[in-house]
Amino acid sequence: DTEVTQTPKHLVMGMTNKKSLKCEQHMGHRAMYWYKQKAKKPPELMFVYSYEKLSINESVPSRFSPECPNSSLLNLHLHALQPEDSALYLCASSHEGGGRGKNEQFFGPGTRLTVL
Amino acid sequence: KNQVEQSPQSLIILEGKNCTLQCNYTVSPFSNLRWYKQDTGRGPVSLTIMTFSENTKSNGRYTATLDADTKQSSLHITASQLSDSASYICVVKGYGQNFVFGPGTRLSVLP
Repeated sequence: DTEVTQTPKHLVMGMTNKKSLKCEQHMGHRAMYWYKQKAKKPPELMFVYSYEKLSINESVPSRFSPECPNSSLLNLHLHALQPEDSALYLCASSHEGGGRGKNEQFFGPGTRLTVL
Repeated sequence: KNQVEQSPQSLIILEGKNCTLQCNYTVSPFSNLRWYKQDTGRGPVSLTIMTFSENTKSNGRYTATLDADTKQSSLHITASQLSDSASYICVVKGYGQNFVFGPGTRLSVLP
């Protein structure tokens, strides 16, 4: 199984709503990532979890709250978002390790988020 | 500063033609370089991944080259198909670092 799954595929929410994005992988990867991607731009790193611990937070506003309940799951909790937060949210996973080697990163299909 | 640049920004070719996309990087120390294809609104899909010791890697009609000395990579697409229309993203990983994304090249293949 070399797949990263994300749910939902599409999400429309108001600025006062609370919602969650979910990501799952069963490749035994110990590093999981959240990226935000605006149209015609490359993905921008938001968070990195390594062995279920938050290792990188790229100065993301607190209205985005990540959670890694176990080594296969990654959630992104959303609260009080702004219209400019509308984007494609991508989850990815890889074998942990900063060493040499291929350490390939696998991406999920993304969640298209629209904030009204 | 670790950076990845790609050229051209966009490219339009006719179906059946070949094309080459370029990637230059300053990421150091270098660990590996990968090319992704991303269809609009979908997640990136890996095409090739190369370490510093590999200078050519093929995946069907896609052939990637890597020159670790000049810090350049190219992705050559042969006999293009309409389904090749997508963004192609070059991503470089440094040793002990996170992945650095290039801005992508948007390829349009016309009938």
